[in-house]
Amino acid sequence: AQKVTQAQTEISVVEKEDVTLDCVYETRDTTYYLFWYKQPPSGELVFLIRRNSFDEQNEISGRYSWNFQKSTSSFNFTITASQVVDSAVYFCVLSTRDNQGGKLIFGQGTELSVKP
Amino acid sequence: DAGVIQSPRHEVTEMGQEVTLRCKPISGHNSLFWYRQTMMRGLELLIYFNNNVPIDDSGMPEDRFSAKMPNASFSTLKIQPSEPRDSAVYFCASRAVTGFTGELFFGEGSRLTVL
Repeated sequence: AQKVTQAQTEISVVEKEDVTLDCVYETRDTTYYLFWYKQPPSGELVFLIRRNSFDEQNEISGRYSWNFQKSTSSFNFTITASQVVDSAVYFCVLSTRDNQGGKLIFGQGTELSVKP
Repeated sequence: DAGVIQSPRHEVTEMGQEVTLRCKPISGHNSLFWYRQTMMRGLELLIYFNNNVPIDDSGMPEDRFSAKMPNASFSTLKIQPSEPRDSAVYFCASRAVTGFTGELFFGEGSRLTVL
């Protein structure tokens, strides 16, 4: 079975705090891709990052960083020094060959609220 | 560059009416997806196309829903007749490649309210 679990339904932090959004995935496929998307209150879905299963290097982009660990099937997302504009729902997504590339598996999303 | 363009952005209609949602994917993209998002069910894949051909429509709720992609630059999702439970945000997304490696780019969504 293929599955993405985002155990944190809602997180609330105060501005400038660091916050980590957890993502655990399940797949028997050895080749797969993982993505993170952001959905701000305005409603659009914004692509943040793509990572393939052969590249376990962590990635940093400004205040955003991603930690991919195949050993624990996790692809966690950390926001450093959070800002109010980071308030959004964040989705972790799995894409595997098994689904002909079509049925991306979305997690349920984590709603992040950053308060001033 | 233009992103995925959806219309209308908002639609309010009465039960029983026909609804047509439209999507223009990013030029050069080979895959197109229709998703529906509700609070209760989250994001659901309705159907996707590769090179204008429907690959999987198992997510289409029932015969009232139909989708077409007559060419590489246009797709429609039609609901006939509409019901209140169809109220949702419908997203169209496109991807540059037909395989599983690429990211999806989403439109801004069409918010449908069926009274």
